[in-house]
Amino acid sequence: GQQVMQIPQYQHVQEGEDFTTYCNSSTTLSNIQWYKQRPGGHPVFLIQLVKSGEVKKQKRLTFQFGEAKKNSSLHITATQTTDVGTYFCAGLVSGTYKYIFGTGTRLKVLA
Amino acid sequence: DTEVTQTPKHLVMGMTNKKSLKCEQHMGHRAMYWYKQKAKKPPELMFVYSYEKLSINESVPSRFSPECPNSSLLNLHLHALQPEDSALYLCASSRITSNEQFFGPGTRLTVL
Repeated sequence: GQQVMQIPQYQHVQEGEDFTTYCNSSTTLSNIQWYKQRPGGHPVFLIQLVKSGEVKKQKRLTFQFGEAKKNSSLHITATQTTDVGTYFCAGLVSGTYKYIFGTGTRLKVLA
Repeated sequence: DTEVTQTPKHLVMGMTNKKSLKCEQHMGHRAMYWYKQKAKKPPELMFVYSYEKLSINESVPSRFSPECPNSSLLNLHLHALQPEDSALYLCASSRITSNEQFFGPGTRLTVL
């Protein structure tokens, strides 16, 4: 079946270090969204990428969508303790209304 | 109002009970979703409603029955659930199906 995998599963960083999570889909995606879920919370939308090769920045966060529209990445520069949480990508399967969430990367930031 | 509300926050039910989860949004969104999330796992899509019509049912067992009475409300009727159905049930909405999703806080369901 269709799968969206993320690596790494966990990442512990010192505050101020950079962090990257990678998202890989087994199928072509119409778009990809990124969400952050704090412990005990619900997913909160960060960004949506639609075009092949698209790059978007939000302050310390940089998002990329691969040329083949099957992979994506999220890079955080100079992490802060407020960045703690699980980051999920969610891909919209082409030709459907179906979003598949990636397996998630849990980020811990040590002060 | 940019909020999706869900009631109840917590629900404990026996395997023979019938209960309902409710979700409401007043953002004028025409797509609404039910997801199931187990601990330390990603949300799993259950149902998608687009313009109040069921568009996707991800092979969900019939003991889960969705209902969209109008464009602002989404219900999930529960009957004869199993303990393995215990999870966080998340509702989400989006302007249309390809737009950003706004999630509610979820209902934490425990089936005894």
